[in-house]
Parts: sequence; structure tokens; C-alpha cells
Amino acid sequence: DIVMTQSPDSLAVSLGERASINCRSSQSVLYSSNNNNYLAWYQQKPGQPPKLLIYWASARESGVPDRFSGSGSGTDFTLTISSLQAEDVAVYYCQQYYSTPHTFGQGTKLEIK
Amino acid sequence: QVQLVQSGAEVKKPGASVKVSCKASGYTFIDYYMHWVRQAPGEGPEWMGWINPKSTSGGTNYAQKFQDRVSMTSDTSISTAYMELSRLRSDDTAVYYCARGRNSGTDYWGQGTLVTVSS
Repeated sequence: DIVMTQSPDSLAVSLGERASINCRSSQSVLYSSNNNNYLAWYQQKPGQPPKLLIYWASARESGVPDRFSGSGSGTDFTLTISSLQAEDVAVYYCQQYYSTPHTFGQGTKLEIK
Repeated sequence: QVQLVQSGAEVKKPGASVKVSCKASGYTFIDYYMHWVRQAPGEGPEWMGWINPKSTSGGTNYAQKFQDRVSMTSDTSISTAYMELSRLRSDDTAVYYCARGRNSGTDYWGQGTLVTVSS
């Protein structure tokens, strides 16, 4: 199984400041035949299911604010929120869908400083 | 609009089975895989497997952890997917989600079904 490791486990950022969350996979999730990274980012608020934010490591899902961006390739990825808003307080998860089981990271809790 | 509506909360005794349903609407049911993901209290999501509703033989892919206890099925006539987990243990207590699968992640999720396993 591919192990997904996120850092940090928790993060406190001031409103309007940048937040960055890292995700590392135990093996590459880059599929060479199409040059796509099989990596997604989700946001989860209490009592709600996860919400897809980013797919293919850097493609923003429809309706997701453009302050959210994804980057990285191979085994190292980053989710960046360019200017933190109050409604961004949540737990964020990365997930690889390169191979089954489609494993998730342990999550990063984002709070307001 | 796409909606996935799951069945209600369940309380089961250890050793029993549970079957959770997920009714899809707002899209062509057979055009997307359905994934099942669970989340234990205070933990991250855990992927359980997927079913391809288009497959007449009910194509499935289960996480090895659940291979001998889980069964994912679908009824295309009512656009509903099912996940049955048998030989329940206390550590199966979790919220179980269905989620529509694309080749680029899971984009729509059900509201979740709490399954509590307790003697």
C-alpha cells in the first residue's frame, strides 16, 4: 500500500496570511504514460463529508475559490491557501488514487491564529 | 443536481452484519464508479473499495483489509449502491460514506451513515 504522510499535523495561521500543507507519498503517484499525478486534496468540516478541492495534484475542482492551489509531482505535494479566510478552518486530507487501496493522509487541522 | 442519499444510522452487536444503501440522483448511475469510505471517530478517512455499476458481473475492487468481510453491490434499476460489512467488531464503529468516483478523485459524497457496534 502507498503510505501518505502529511505535515504538519496542525497549523495556525492568521486571517489573510498564507497556509501551506505538505503531503508525501511512499512511492511515486505520477503515471508516466499521461504525466498525471494521481493525487487529490479534500477539505472536511465537522459533521460533513470530505469535499474535493484539487485533483491531478493541481487542478481546482469547479466552484473552489482560486485562493486554493495545489502543486508538486512524484512523491511531494503541497496545498496552499493564499489568503486564509475564516471559512477555511477545517481538516485537510490528501489522497492518492494511483493504486488501490486509495489511501489518505492522516490529516492536517487548520486553525486561525 | 447530483445527490447521494444514504440510509439511516444503525446499531449492531458484535458479529452481526450491516448493509448501508446509497441512492444516487442527478446523473447517469452506471457512468460512474461508486466508492465506499469509512471514518472512525476522530480519525481520517479510510478507503474500503469501489463498485462499477456498469459491470454486469458487478465489478468490484476491495481493500485487502476488508476483502473477506465486505460486499459491494448495486441495483441499476433504482440507481442505488449497497455496502454490506459482516462479522462486525467494535472497531468497525464509524461513519460510512459512499462517494461518486471519477478517474480524478471522488467528487460527490453521501451524507454519511453512522454504524455503531456495541454489545
